[in-house]
Amino acid sequence: AQKVTQAQTEISVVEKEDVTLDCVYETRDTTYYLFWYKQPPSGELVFLIRRNSFDEQNEISGRYSWNFQKSTSSFNFTITASQVVDSAVYFCALRPNFGNEKLTFGTGTRLTIIP
Amino acid sequence: DTGVSQDPRHKITKRGQNVTFRCDPISEHNRLYWYRQTLGQGPEFLTYFQNEAQLEKSRLLSDRFSAERPKGSFSTLEIQRTEQGDSAMYLCASSLVLAGSYNEQFFGPGTRLTVL
Repeated sequence: AQKVTQAQTEISVVEKEDVTLDCVYETRDTTYYLFWYKQPPSGELVFLIRRNSFDEQNEISGRYSWNFQKSTSSFNFTITASQVVDSAVYFCALRPNFGNEKLTFGTGTRLTIIP
Repeated sequence: DTGVSQDPRHKITKRGQNVTFRCDPISEHNRLYWYRQTLGQGPEFLTYFQNEAQLEKSRLLSDRFSAERPKGSFSTLEIQRTEQGDSAMYLCASSLVLAGSYNEQFFGPGTRLTVL
């Protein structure tokens, strides 16, 4: 069985502060993908990043960065210099590399950026 | 734009009525997924199709739910005798599954169902 845990239900930070969203996962698969999605108030899921379990190299993309640690089964997401437009619900998700490839999502973290 | 489309975007119905949602995947995508998202939760897998074959159904998909993909293109999700607990956002996603390659799932905008 697969499970994704996002312990932070809601986070509020003042604009321009950095914020880290936590994600811990469980899987028996030896290979898998991890994702972060953003869901603004309009409701659509916006893909942010995908990580293959083979690739533990952390990455920075603009104001976003990701910290994947297989040893602790964590895949944390950081926004630096937050902006009001970053306000949304963020979901971490997991899916196997093979088979049905269905996504297992966490319960989400509601991020509010205060102007 | 040839992304995943869903119709209707919003549906309000009374308890006990039947509703049907439609999903049009990206052209030539052979795999289609349905997910359900209730308030305050992440999307949960319901079922998926490989072409016209329904290959897996979640235990969340009770007997009142039926999904079809008759010609391997668009899909419908029907809920019979709706209950207030069926109120949720129903998301559709599609992908082109090719052996040996990564297969991205593209999500539609969702159908928001409200059962009164």
